[in-house]
Amino acid sequence: KQEVTQIPAALSVPEGENLVLNCSFTDSAIYNLQWFRQDPGKGLTSLLLIQSSQREQTSGRLNASLDKSSGRSTLYIAASQPGDSATYLCAVPSGGGADGLTFGKGTHLIIQP
Amino acid sequence: GAVVSQHPSWVICKSGTSVKIECRSLDFQATTMFWYRQFPKQSLMLMATSNEGSKATYEQGVEKDKFLINHASLTLSTLTVTSAHPEDSSFYICSAWGVRGAFFGQGTRLTVV
Repeated sequence: KQEVTQIPAALSVPEGENLVLNCSFTDSAIYNLQWFRQDPGKGLTSLLLIQSSQREQTSGRLNASLDKSSGRSTLYIAASQPGDSATYLCAVPSGGGADGLTFGKGTHLIIQP
Repeated sequence: GAVVSQHPSWVICKSGTSVKIECRSLDFQATTMFWYRQFPKQSLMLMATSNEGSKATYEQGVEKDKFLINHASLTLSTLTVTSAHPEDSSFYICSAWGVRGAFFGQGTRLTVV
């Protein structure tokens, strides 16, 4: 059974800092990994999708890397802003096909103005 | 593209009544949709996979008679919480796969009083 772990559970940093969120998964037989953002009481916003054949994806100030063999992914946020405050979730497909996703518990990020 | 719309965004109901939540794919067809539940400060847990034209597939521990799923068209899946009780109070959210990964609805906050 796939399990996803995210570290740290919470993070509070001053505005402007670069930061790294970590995600690990137990079953490396994934075909993609996705990072989401969730604001309080809201749905999920997709940030980045990395296919298993890729090592990283970039979108603006966000960069996600994937090391499938070691079961790890990182989300790098450059020049953090107060608007980046949210919970960041990492998810991988639960099985080998077009399954639902298994999520980590998320990293609750607070960017201090 | 890949917009998923969920309705209602919140609902309060009396214990013993049933509540229906709708999930629509607005700009694409989805033969498969997924329903998740999220308890406070917890991550999303997959409840069931909704298949167009056939029965839903439920995760272990999810009562299929309690959470009725109907996927009558390629753009609509519904989740009905039957005979709701306070312990069913939660955040329910649906998802469908698009070309660029999984996309989620806005979620429905269900409160059973």
